[in-house]
Amino acid sequence: GAGVSQTPSNKVTEKGKYVELRCDPISGHTALYWYRQSLGQGPEFLIYFQGTGAADDSGLPNDRFFAVRPEGSVSTLKIQRTERGDSAMYLCASSGYLGTEAFFGQGTRLTVV
Amino acid sequence: GENVEQHPSTLSVQEGDSAVIKCTYSDSASNYFPWYKQELGKRPQLIIDIRSNVGEKKDQRIAVTLNKTAKHFSLHITETQPEDSAVYFCAELAGGGSNYKLTFGKGTLLTVNP
Repeated sequence: GAGVSQTPSNKVTEKGKYVELRCDPISGHTALYWYRQSLGQGPEFLIYFQGTGAADDSGLPNDRFFAVRPEGSVSTLKIQRTERGDSAMYLCASSGYLGTEAFFGQGTRLTVV
Repeated sequence: GENVEQHPSTLSVQEGDSAVIKCTYSDSASNYFPWYKQELGKRPQLIIDIRSNVGEKKDQRIAVTLNKTAKHFSLHITETQPEDSAVYFCAELAGGGSNYKLTFGKGTLLTVNP
């Protein structure tokens, strides 16, 4: 596709359930970022992939959060035992190698009820 | 470590006036500084960026300046228009080897009053 695509655009889940958020980056982009954005706040770094490997996962808040990018393209952010505090907009961005423009997807709005 | 501070958190100007948003960073190895604009309900979009080997860059009404010695960079918007109203985020790209990440400031809500 022409841009970064995230699915679903909206996800409502019950507390304690498991969710998967998908990011399809721009073709050929090696770098992929996941961010979490709460209302009125800046994007909060979660994890960064360079190719298939997680180069930096220091932003994941706890072990309920996990992300994969098995073939160096599509990435999935997985959240186990969701809590109401996980409710936020989850943004994915991709860029070419080092220091080039990062393009964002439209985000997945996660609501945990 | 990477840390970006952005000021002010809110800024209100009259149409036609200039707006300036400032960011400071702590990692001297940072080498790429983009600015993003996020309109309500939309994704952040790059509006201008600057690399560490350049002191200033302009694109029509928007300019960014970088002071590497002082570790700060600023966004300047001249002749502001109501459609400039949005949240603006600065960011820095820092790291080493294959481990780089883009870290964002907390954002500035710019309101341009007609």
